[in-house]
This record gives sequence, C-alpha cells and structure tokens, in this order.
Amino acid sequence: QVQLVQSGAEVKKPGASVQVSCKASGYTFTDYYLHWVRQAPGQGLEWMGWINPKSGGPNYDQKFQGRVTMTRDTSITTAYMVLSSLTSDDTAVYYCARDRRPYYDTNGRDALDVWGQGTLVTVSS
Amino acid sequence: DIQMTQSPSSLSASVGDRVTITCRASQSINSYLNWYQQKPGKAPKLLIYAASSLESGVPSRFSGSGSGTDFTLTISSLQPEDFATYSCQQSYSLPFTFGQGTRLEIK
Repeated sequence: QVQLVQSGAEVKKPGASVQVSCKASGYTFTDYYLHWVRQAPGQGLEWMGWINPKSGGPNYDQKFQGRVTMTRDTSITTAYMVLSSLTSDDTAVYYCARDRRPYYDTNGRDALDVWGQGTLVTVSS
Repeated sequence: DIQMTQSPSSLSASVGDRVTITCRASQSINSYLNWYQQKPGKAPKLLIYAASSLESGVPSRFSGSGSGTDFTLTISSLQPEDFATYSCQQSYSLPFTFGQGTRLEIK
C-alpha cells in the first residue's frame, strides 16, 4: 500500500538545524510531488513547500526561504527536509504528504492524499 | 499569498445533525479547494478535492460545494467518528495555504 514513513522525534537547541526524512513506498516515487506541512501545538496546518522528486526541484514558502532545504534520494525513495536556525517558534509536528496529482497530469488538481505519521520537533534550550 | 478563512472556528453538534462549515478565500481560487479531517494526534486525511470531488473511501455523507471565493463542507448526518477538526486548503497558487481549522465537538 502507498505509505510515507517519517523519522523519529527530535529535540534541538535554538540555532541548531534539524533533518526530517520521509520514506515512500507502494508507488512510483518520482511521479508525485511531496509536500512538507507543519503544525505548531494547538495551531493550524502550515504549508512549507514541495519538492519534485523527478527533477529534485523544490518550491518553498517565502516565509521559510533561506532556512529550509528540501531534497530527495531517488535510489532509496526518500525525501528530506532540513530546517536551520531553529527557534522555539519552530516547535511543531512536521508532516510530509504526497500530492495526488502525478507530475504529468497537467489538468489534475493538487491535493495531499497520503500523509506521513508526523515528526515532532521540539526546540528548547 | 491567498488567505483562507474558515467559520465557525468551533462548532458543537449532535449525532445525526447536518453540519456545514464555510471557507472563504481572499481572492478567487476557481474550484481549487480541498478539505481535510484531522483527529487528535493523527495526520490529516483528505476528504474532498477540487471543491466537490469525494476522495476514494470517504463516506458519501461528506460533500463539498462552492467556487470562486466561497466554499462549504457539509456532513449530512453526523456520526460519532466525525468529531474532529476540519481544514480547508487552496491549491490555486503557491503557497498552498490552509484555513485555521474548525473544531467540531459533541454537544
């Protein structure tokens, strides 16, 4: 079955960086964009960006430009998100999610149909 | 960025009730609107995409409508498992922004 499995919880100090991984299985990894979404405690969902697994090209929300890097390794069907210069405001659950529209479906509509289980990142001194 | 505003922020209802949640975009997004359900401690689940298309496996009591700037999610007859938080998301233009969520509670 289609599945995204994320890496485990992290505790980081302010100013540090964190890497979250997202292992995909059950589908052709390079056909579907992967999004990263976060959710601070008690807050709503916040879209961070996406990566095209075929080309490796990312697109980041301006809010995170300069601090976030999204990459992928097609040989192990895994995507990565690195967030740097962490502050307490970055404490959140981070999700990866697959876009339901394959990259070649130019008429389709984007939506996030398969989600990872989430990774809690806690930033605390 | 396109701002998405949901109303109400929270809602109390009973099993069997018909419930409607509204999502408004700060500019026209055609029908590029998705709805998600999220239960505590769990990842969101896609319910509706493209404003009115039901995701596979989602019960038919869920429906979506709207176009342009105003959208609704309707649950025709609430079931116990429907008590959760519902969020809309626009996929018209990057960044793909979400609404703040509507918490549906048991009355």
